[in-house]
Amino acid sequence: SQTIHQWPATLVQPVGSPLSLECTVEGTSNPNLYWYRQAAGRGLQLLFYSVGIGQISSEVPQNLSASRPQDRQFILSSKKLLLSDSGFYLCAWSVGQQGADEKLFFGSGTQLSVL
Amino acid sequence: GNSVTQMEGPVTLSEEAFLTINCTYTATGYPSLFWYVQYPGEGLQLLLKATKADDKGSNKGFEATYRKETTSFHLEKGSVQVSDSAVYFCALSDQGGSYIPTFGRGTSLIVHP
Repeated sequence: SQTIHQWPATLVQPVGSPLSLECTVEGTSNPNLYWYRQAAGRGLQLLFYSVGIGQISSEVPQNLSASRPQDRQFILSSKKLLLSDSGFYLCAWSVGQQGADEKLFFGSGTQLSVL
Repeated sequence: GNSVTQMEGPVTLSEEAFLTINCTYTATGYPSLFWYVQYPGEGLQLLLKATKADDKGSNKGFEATYRKETTSFHLEKGSVQVSDSAVYFCALSDQGGSYIPTFGRGTSLIVHP
């Protein structure tokens, strides 16, 4: 069966420090991969998505970046965190095909606090 | 473009009350519609879905019917429990292209004993 792992679960970082959040998927190949952010009291904001290795689409211009070095690995990074980067970050995947199984599978999230 | 509008929360109910969370959508094509649920401190998980007009999705006592004429997909449950307390997201996907779903802002449900 397919599983998605996201870590760390919680992270407290000072302003200006770097960030690296990692997400891996098991049990499937060539998935679509997504990074979402959920700020307090707000909905889901799509940050990046990827349809294949090295293919990254950015939805929101900001100081975050994403990379997909392997088929089932998706990394969210920043060189210098801002206070506004605080939030709950969710990784997700989908099977990458149109049809009956059009749904996202989400990781358990990372709560990032930038102080 | 596509958009999803959900009723503002929080929705506060007593146990065994009837629940309705409204969701309306705007889409250029014929989308699939979804409800996701997010329990405290967790990621989202799919609750139910419907892929064409008049389909009814159901799961765990929750139901939603795809109404093309009113562009709606309201979530209902006849008798809520404390364990249903969560944030509920309505979403749609455009079946014509790559799968980038559009989510509503989420509606928080609080159920009191």
